[in-house]
Amino acid sequence: SQTIHQWPATLVQPVGSPLSLECTVEGTSNPNLYWYRQAAGRGLQLLFYSVGIGQISSEVPQNLSASRPQDRQFILSSKKLLLSDSGFYLCAWSLKGADEQYFGPGTRLTVT
Amino acid sequence: TQLLEQSPQFLSIQEGENLTVYCNSSSVFSSLQWYRQEPGEGPVLLVTVVTGGEVKKLKRLTFQFGDARKDSSLHITAAQPGDTGLYLCAGEREDSSYKLIFGSGTRLLVRP
Repeated sequence: SQTIHQWPATLVQPVGSPLSLECTVEGTSNPNLYWYRQAAGRGLQLLFYSVGIGQISSEVPQNLSASRPQDRQFILSSKKLLLSDSGFYLCAWSLKGADEQYFGPGTRLTVT
Repeated sequence: TQLLEQSPQFLSIQEGENLTVYCNSSSVFSSLQWYRQEPGEGPVLLVTVVTGGEVKKLKRLTFQFGDARKDSSLHITAAQPGDTGLYLCAGEREDSSYKLIFGSGTRLLVRP
């Protein structure tokens, strides 16, 4: 069966510090991978998606970047965090198009 | 611009009552999904509907896809406290593969 991992689960970082969030998927090959951000109790905002190694599509111009160094690894990064980067970050995978996405447990990021 | 509008945004009901959540758009979707999310966790897929007019049942939950594939509804019969959570609809637009558009969510509280 497939599983998706995210770490860390929670993170408190000062403004201006770098960020690296990691997501890995097990039990499947060549998944589509996604990074979302969610404001408290609200819907999900798509940040990046990837259909293959090294292929990244950005949805929202911002302070963040994404990379996919391996087939089942997706990394979200920032060189300098802003207060507005605080939120709940979710990684997800799917096999066909955007259909039936499966989410990781999320990372709660607080920028102070 | 919010492409998928969910209503109501918040619903507080007594155990045993019925409820309906709506998801509406002016866009046509090739598929539409419903997710349920609990605080601090990732969304969990409940159902996918792909055919206009399709109705799917999952125990006490009934999902319907509009004939024109622009809207959907979720009906819960005899709600229970375990149904409490954030319900999200998400659609894959016909002109935009790989990406899901998420609604803003409906927060449901079922009081015992």
